[in-house]
Amino acid sequence: KAGVTQTPRYLIKTRGQQVTLSCSPISGHRSVSWYQQTPGQGLQFLFEYFSETQRNKGNFPGRFSGRQFSNSRSEMNVSTLELGDSALYLCASSLPANTGELFFGEGSRLTVL
Amino acid sequence: GNSVTQMEGPVTLSEEAFLTINCTYTATGYPSLFWYVQYPGEGLQLLLKATKADDKGSNKGFEATYRKETTSFHLEKGSVQVSDSAVYFCALRDNSGGYQKVTFGTGTKLQVIP
Repeated sequence: KAGVTQTPRYLIKTRGQQVTLSCSPISGHRSVSWYQQTPGQGLQFLFEYFSETQRNKGNFPGRFSGRQFSNSRSEMNVSTLELGDSALYLCASSLPANTGELFFGEGSRLTVL
Repeated sequence: GNSVTQMEGPVTLSEEAFLTINCTYTATGYPSLFWYVQYPGEGLQLLLKATKADDKGSNKGFEATYRKETTSFHLEKGSVQVSDSAVYFCALRDNSGGYQKVTFGTGTKLQVIP
């Protein structure tokens, strides 16, 4: 069974640009969550999607947005990039049973110059 | 709000030493508790979990017991190996809603030397 796939794995952008990250969950998983990981702040929750609906959102500015498609694949977008957006962005999928167990991808490492 | 506090790292141990990584939490209701591990260059993976008070989660020689009276979920292993070197995250999920928002601690880096 394929795991969670995130693309791209690495990317470099400059301030003011925008970026779109993609996440393909494990087959059968309908919930997708996004986290930002930085050395200073650790793992911070961005948002969670279930059946194409955002169910929960973390404390991030409106420049961070996401969506989920009918096949459960998800994308997140960051507009007007800032230096502080440099981070590892992790996607996690979970079972419909809502057990709280998350299955993570390897992440997309974003560097903003 | 919910929060998880872990001991600061890094923790450096010799092979076969005993490991304890402390974790305490603050939550409303009765959360589920987790330990995740992140090996270098990889995403997080679930190590063990406990869903109610006094439950003991265990996997790969690691154990943690859900202590409601002390709001703790300390991770232990009797004899660490070099391959256990990784970052360990304690986490909780509030079960009061139908959401998958999981709150993580800041992580504790473990380095095991031969």
